[in-house]
Amino acid sequence: DVVMTQTPPSLSVAIGQSVSISCKSSQSLVYSDGKTYLHWLLQSPGRSPKRLIYQVSNLGSGVPDRFSGTGSQKDFTLKISRVEAEDLGVYYCAQTTHFPPFTFGSGTKLEIK
Amino acid sequence: EVQLVESGEGLVQPGSSMKLSCVASGFTFSNYGMNWIRQAPKKGLEWIALIYYDSSSKYYADSVKGRFTISRDNSKNTLYLEMNSLRSEDTAMYYCAKSGSGDFDYWGQGVMVTVSS
Repeated sequence: DVVMTQTPPSLSVAIGQSVSISCKSSQSLVYSDGKTYLHWLLQSPGRSPKRLIYQVSNLGSGVPDRFSGTGSQKDFTLKISRVEAEDLGVYYCAQTTHFPPFTFGSGTKLEIK
Repeated sequence: EVQLVESGEGLVQPGSSMKLSCVASGFTFSNYGMNWIRQAPKKGLEWIALIYYDSSSKYYADSVKGRFTISRDNSKNTLYLEMNSLRSEDTAMYYCAKSGSGDFDYWGQGVMVTVSS
């Protein structure tokens, strides 16, 4: 199974600051079609997860452009510029290149100072 | 607007069975793969099953293989998860999620399954 390692496990930031979350996979996530199936989700408190970014860098519908994703092969980053209060929650990376199973990172909890 | 609404929540004893449903609306259900993903209390996300749009292929996590069965009825826009031989470690919130651009683009609100004597 592909292991997804997310860091840091938690972080606390002030409104308006920028943050980055790292996600590293145990194998390259480039699929045979040339695409990289690495995605980011946000689970706000008490809510179900929501799509943020798919295939490394594509913003989901309605996701503000303060969110951005970069990376390749086995090393990926989610950046949030100008953090807002509504951004708090747990961020997960997920890979769907190699399956079964699809696998998730362990999550990064974002708190607002 | 895409909506996924799970049902079947409950408390069951170890070794028993349970069936979850997920009714979809707002998109052409028969065109998309569907997934079940669970989250144990205070834990992370665990993908457990995928079914292709036409039921031609089904995949399972090792943790549920042989005990859980994913199925769908495209005429009813409904996804199912039949769970047998339930164990305490199956206690979790169960989400159905639509396959999008290789990812999980829409999620239901989740249903809680508690396995306890």
